[in-house]
Amino acid sequence: DAGVTQSPTHLIKTRGQQVTLRCSPKSGHDTVSWYQQALGQGPQFIFQYYEEEERQRGNFPDRFSGHQFPNYSSELNVNALLLGDSALYLCASSFSGGYQPQHFGDGTRLSIL
Amino acid sequence: SQQGEEDPQALSIQEGENATMNCSYKTSINNLQWYRQNSGRGLVHLILIRSNEREKHSGRLRVTLDTSKKSSSLLITASRAADTASYFCATVRWGGANSKLTFGKGITLSVRP
Repeated sequence: DAGVTQSPTHLIKTRGQQVTLRCSPKSGHDTVSWYQQALGQGPQFIFQYYEEEERQRGNFPDRFSGHQFPNYSSELNVNALLLGDSALYLCASSFSGGYQPQHFGDGTRLSIL
Repeated sequence: SQQGEEDPQALSIQEGENATMNCSYKTSINNLQWYRQNSGRGLVHLILIRSNEREKHSGRLRVTLDTSKKSSSLLITASRAADTASYFCATVRWGGANSKLTFGKGITLSVRP
């Protein structure tokens, strides 16, 4: 049973570019959350998707947007990249029913030059 | 912004010793969770404690929660070299176990063989 998978694992972009990160949730999960983790810091919540809609959003600018597909997979898009967007981007999936924690993927390491 | 603060920031112990990590937070919560992160990898869920619980055990892990002091502690007994990792506490203010997680900055645990 595959867990949460993210692609790509590493990505290098330059300032001003746009990037799309992808996440496939664990089998049976219907909710996807995205987190940004800067070096040496704890993860920060970006947003959560459920039933193809953004259900919760953290304190991130509109440059960060997302999408959830009917198969529950998700994308995170970041426009007009800044040097400060360099971080590990983590996807976490969970099941909306019951009282179950989130399962995390290994992340996408994004470097902005 | 980060809700929790872990203490100490770094901890180095000998294999076989116990490791105690503390977490303080600022607002009322629904539940508190502890995660482990090995270098460059995703987060692994360790244990969840609800706001109406005071103590939980899972294998070599024991977590306590004091909502009056807004603090939690994680005890790892009989530590092993494989326990070397970063540990994060994360709080959920509203909703269930899979709602928005607010993380602290983490504790780096080194277990010497």
